[in-house]
Amino acid sequence: DTGVSQNPRHKITKRGQNVTFRCDPISEHNRLYWYRQTLGQGPEFLTYFQNEAQLEKSRLLSDRFSAERPKGSFSTLEIQRTEQGDSAMYLCASSFERIGEQYFGPGTRLTVT
Amino acid sequence: TQLLEQSPQFLSIQEGENLTVYCNSSSVFSSLQWYRQEPGEGPVLLVTVVTGGEVKKLKRLTFQFGDARKDSSLHITAAQPGDTGLYLCAGLTLLFSGGYNKLIFGAGTRLAVHP
Repeated sequence: DTGVSQNPRHKITKRGQNVTFRCDPISEHNRLYWYRQTLGQGPEFLTYFQNEAQLEKSRLLSDRFSAERPKGSFSTLEIQRTEQGDSAMYLCASSFERIGEQYFGPGTRLTVT
Repeated sequence: TQLLEQSPQFLSIQEGENLTVYCNSSSVFSSLQWYRQEPGEGPVLLVTVVTGGEVKKLKRLTFQFGDARKDSSLHITAAQPGDTGLYLCAGLTLLFSGGYNKLIFGAGTRLAVHP
């Protein structure tokens, strides 16, 4: 299977802890996106990479959030000092150039207790 | 701010019935994508419509993009329990000088098809 993969699938953490999620995009896709989805809502854009360059960040991405894509392949999303409001499904998607069709991974469900 | 409004939010129907889901905006989009999402999983791309007035069919699903590229509809004929899920529309914004098209999602329509 060469789809988008995300790890872990589920993460339960205590408030104040740091968490890191990983996304492996479809191999030939140079664009990678992170979204957050809360219950009853559609995904909300967080940030976007073209190759290794982070080109846009949403205002939703507070200074506790950081994302990297060091070699233009996999990406990591780190949340520092987690808060209960960070509980959500974190989705990664990838696409090829400007075709625009984004393919999503299965997501990482974060629960902050 | 570009918004996509989907209606209805919830739909509960019997197997064999037809249904239509609507996706509306005041903004023009470069293209519009429809996804289906199962609980605990990521959205799965169903179709992309690009041209105003375009109609695409995927078995019992018919997708239409409005002439002005501001709205879209999804029609399901003879719904089956396997069609149950969250249907999301997502509009790709027009290209800005930064060279990035953003995908804006609606809140989704949760469909339940009962046997």
